[in-house]
Amino acid sequence: NAGVTQTPKFQVLKTGQSMTLQCAQDMNHEYMSWYRQDPGMGLRLIHYSVGAGITDQGEVPNGYNVSRSTTEDFPLRLLSAAPSQTSVYFCASSLTGSLGEQYFGPGTRLTVT
Amino acid sequence: KNQVEQSPQSLIILEGKNCTLQCNYTVSPFSNLRWYKQDTGRGPVSLTIMTFSENTKSNGRYTATLDADTKQSSLHITASQLSDSASYICVVSAEGNNRLAFGKGNQVVVIP
Repeated sequence: NAGVTQTPKFQVLKTGQSMTLQCAQDMNHEYMSWYRQDPGMGLRLIHYSVGAGITDQGEVPNGYNVSRSTTEDFPLRLLSAAPSQTSVYFCASSLTGSLGEQYFGPGTRLTVT
Repeated sequence: KNQVEQSPQSLIILEGKNCTLQCNYTVSPFSNLRWYKQDTGRGPVSLTIMTFSENTKSNGRYTATLDADTKQSSLHITASQLSDSASYICVVSAEGNNRLAFGKGNQVVVIP
């Protein structure tokens, strides 16, 4: 099993550009989520999904969209990048929702100039 | 207000020595508490899980304790190794809530 994979590893965007961060898992987990990690702060939940076709907002959803068309994939879209979105983004999946062990991807380091 | 507070924020320890990291939480109703290890440039990886009825759990040289009455947990690292240099994150789950409460992490640096 590859676990949770994320692409790209690094990305630089200009303000106003859009892009999609990819996340995939091969463990047949229903629960998937996106976090951002900033220096001096804990991981903050952006969006999450409890299964295909179902998504919900987390703590910091503004400026991000998600969709869940399959169990395996959970892409995160930045609609119009802003410098405040410079961060490291982690995708995670879990067999039993938020109560279960979260399996994190390797992260995407995004810089918006 | 952060529901999970960790201390110390950072510490440096000599290889072979022990250290203890603290986690205080206010999350309610409590479901479980996990400690994750995050190496630089990597995603967090789960070390231990503690439920309400558990007081101590070990994973190799890592031992976690939980006092559900005082809402405190600790992670003890025994005979530290250079590979223990990482951030250790305390994560608390609440019953009936799809969101986790994350601490900011304890940054541990082990020096030879």
